Order: sequence, then structure tokens, then C-alpha cells
Amino acid sequence: GIQVEQSPPDLILQEGANSTLRCNFSDSVNNLQWFHQNPWGQLINLFYIPSGTKQNGRLSATTVATERYSLLYISSSQTTDSGVYFCAVEGAGNNRKLIWGLGTSLAVNP
Amino acid sequence: DGGITQSPKYLFRKEGQNVTLSCEQNLNHDAMYWYRQDPGQGLRLIYYSQIVNDFQKGDIAEGYSVSREKKESFPLTVTSAQKNPTAFYLCASSPRTGGVAKNIQYFGAGTRLSVL
Repeated sequence: GIQVEQSPPDLILQEGANSTLRCNFSDSVNNLQWFHQNPWGQLINLFYIPSGTKQNGRLSATTVATERYSLLYISSSQTTDSGVYFCAVEGAGNNRKLIWGLGTSLAVNP
Repeated sequence: DGGITQSPKYLFRKEGQNVTLSCEQNLNHDAMYWYRQDPGQGLRLIYYSQIVNDFQKGDIAEGYSVSREKKESFPLTVTSAQKNPTAFYLCASSPRTGGVAKNIQYFGAGTRLSVL
């Protein structure tokens, strides 16, 4: 099955810093999503981005499907950005099952 | 407000006991999912359902059971056969509009299950 690898596993930033999180996947996908899990466990969908680039405020994401990776950019980080960022993909077989990476744990210090 | 409601937020299970976690959605989504998350880990799929009265096993279905009698509801039972049930359980749903629909998943707030 598809393998999803996220890097770095852990990241510590000072408030105001920028960061890039990476998601590599091992096969063709027709669905890629980025999620943020806050410290209380709530998962929020940030981007649905099987290809191309999207931006939402201080966050943006780019997926290069031909090279099997996606990047999540966080600019001017805030303490509320802390939590775990997950990448999840759905294979081209369209069985509607998401395969999840292990996440990047981000701590933003004031 | 539209959303996914999981209850209870915290649940304790005694040895040999079956417990049921509730998941209700009013988003009119066809597909629903149950995931298990262990500390420091990603999400692992337990069961999923793409339509009422039908469901499929995920990657770690042993010791769990589900039903999908109504579109809005997808309860998960953790049976006594699940020897290590302590985890955070997340329910999700996604729309299915026919053909190749965007499988964008929306999550409830989760249930934390512990063994007494």
C-alpha cells in the first residue's frame, strides 16, 4: 500500500518565524489533505490539495503530484499554530480510505 | 450548527465489558469513518461505511464492531475481545456526491477511552 512520510517529526519555533513541513508519498494519489490537530485533539481540515497550490491566510500548501510530495508553509507563526500537522492521502484506486502520516509536532513559543 | 458529535468525551471500561461510542452527524454525508489514535501516533482506520446498511473493515477491526442503520449515526462498540482499548477514538464523515467525489473528511471532537 501507499506509504506516507512526514518531516520533520518535531519542530520548535519562536513566534513570528516561518516553517515548511513536508509530506512524501510512495504512489499516485487522487486526494491529499493537510490537517491540524490542536492540543485538545480536535482535527481540522486545512487543505484539500491533490495537486497545485492553495493559500489560506498565513498558511499555504503546494503538492507536486508527479514528484510525490506536498509542502505546507506556515508564515509568521503564532502560539495557536501549535499542535500536530498530519498529511493524509487516498490512493488512485478510489476506495475512499485515507492513509495517514505520523505527523509533525509543532510547538510555537511566545 | 452542522457538524459531527461524539459522545461521551471520556469513557472508562471495566475488564470484560463492552462499551459503545456514539457518533452522529447532521452534514448529510454518506460516508462515515472510525479511527483510533494512540499517543504520538497517526490515525489508524477501524471501520468505514460508504452507505447505510453497509460497512467495511479497516486496518485494525479486530475487537470492534459497528452498525449503520441510519445515515446520521455510526456507533462503534469496543468489545471485550479488544485487549488494549485505551486510546483516543475519532469519528469522521465525508460527502459522496456520486462519481469521483472529494473525500474531504470532517472530524468530531473525539472520545478518550481508558481501562479501569
